[in-house]
Amino acid sequence: DQQVKQNSPSLSVQEGRISILNCDYTNSMFDYFLWYKKYPAEGPTFLISISSIKDKNEDGRFTVFLNKSAKHLSLHIVPSQPGDSAVYFCAATNSGYALNFGKGTSLLVTP
Amino acid sequence: GAGVSQSPSNKVTEKGKDVELRCDPISGHTALYWYRQSLGQGLEFLIYFQGNSAPDKSGLPSDRFSAERTGGSVSTLTIQRTQQEDSAVYLCASSLEQGAYTQYFGPGTRLTVL
Repeated sequence: DQQVKQNSPSLSVQEGRISILNCDYTNSMFDYFLWYKKYPAEGPTFLISISSIKDKNEDGRFTVFLNKSAKHLSLHIVPSQPGDSAVYFCAATNSGYALNFGKGTSLLVTP
Repeated sequence: GAGVSQSPSNKVTEKGKDVELRCDPISGHTALYWYRQSLGQGLEFLIYFQGNSAPDKSGLPSDRFSAERTGGSVSTLTIQRTQQEDSAVYLCASSLEQGAYTQYFGPGTRLTVL
């Protein structure tokens, strides 16, 4: 059963606007969350992460928000750029080794 | 420095044949992980190594799947008597140590079983 869910398979955003990618999880034992970005024919690339003891982590244009009570996290990209077009995977873990991934959201940033 | 590398990048095989997939982790990374991504699905954890030992093999889908790691570096994932449902992209990742949550992925091996 899917413990990490990304309910939007795709998202289209205009260049310069904010992209918001969402992720829900069911396992309250997860204590670390990550976002990966994937281009076609390449492996996932680590983007940003957050520990369960925090509710926000920011790195340049990327910010991840964690709402533990709602078991929800989101990735904000501001401003969005055409090079951000990729598939974004949310992942979570409580074991320190096995990452549980969502199915991904395909982001398209249009000029 | 060099990232995680995997070979081959693509493998087409006939049902019933055995295949070996190889992973070279980032130098100095002691933890190594195997995942697979079937069409339209997220990544599915298969197995991880700390050094040469695999403490958790529970993610391997069947006893046709096995993996080993030698010298604390290169790992091989072997699938015996391949089936069509084994078709997927097999991804390897490494991290500095087990418990270092950030895993760095290779480009994957696309396996097609005819």
